[in-house]
Amino acid sequence: GEDVEQSLFLSVREGDSSVINCTYTDSSSTYLYWYKQEPGAGLQLLTYIFSNMDMKQDQRLTVLLNKKDKHLSLRIADTQTGDSAIYFCAESIDFNKFYFGSGTKLNVKP
Amino acid sequence: GAVVSQHPSWVICKSGTSVKIECRSLDFQATTMFWYRQFPKQSLMLMATSNEGSKATYEQGVEKDKFLINHASLTLSTLTVTSAHPEDSSFYICSALDSRDTGELFFGEGSRLTVL
Repeated sequence: GEDVEQSLFLSVREGDSSVINCTYTDSSSTYLYWYKQEPGAGLQLLTYIFSNMDMKQDQRLTVLLNKKDKHLSLRIADTQTGDSAIYFCAESIDFNKFYFGSGTKLNVKP
Repeated sequence: GAVVSQHPSWVICKSGTSVKIECRSLDFQATTMFWYRQFPKQSLMLMATSNEGSKATYEQGVEKDKFLINHASLTLSTLTVTSAHPEDSSFYICSALDSRDTGELFFGEGSRLTVL
């Protein structure tokens, strides 16, 4: 499958902003996604962005897409302890395939 | 948001038996569903793409006779692990794509299979 890469760990203090980064290889990606997985649970769709957009904001979440560099980021403002989870980025090419990164484990320290 | 339900959430079985996992989209129709396997170190592996009314498309290296997928209706896909062995123990997750092409892909809660 396509390569979607993320760093494995991120640790921040409560109240700070978190930025989780992701790179992908297929320039024909149609949609790019961010999912959250809490321990022992399934994946929860947080947000997604169409490939012709540069930015999408949804409350505390901001997604930035740099299509030229094939770089996607998720910024969480005012990070809370409840935000501690694994965050997956994923790319889709015309909904035929969905490829996921290995996940970034976000640890929020009080 | 939309809900995708998986059942059972956890199943333990003896080696050699077959186990069926159901994936249902509760409040939307899903022409396409995907089955993933999640390994202990986090990564999700796409196993197969399930299309309603047709045969599933399997990823390279996934045995289609071992992992039987049926997508008989727009709201239900099933994964049957046949003649399960301990190495099949894993967390299996399904996802469903909203047929209205909204771009949203929703996941079930996952099913943990333990084969003794």
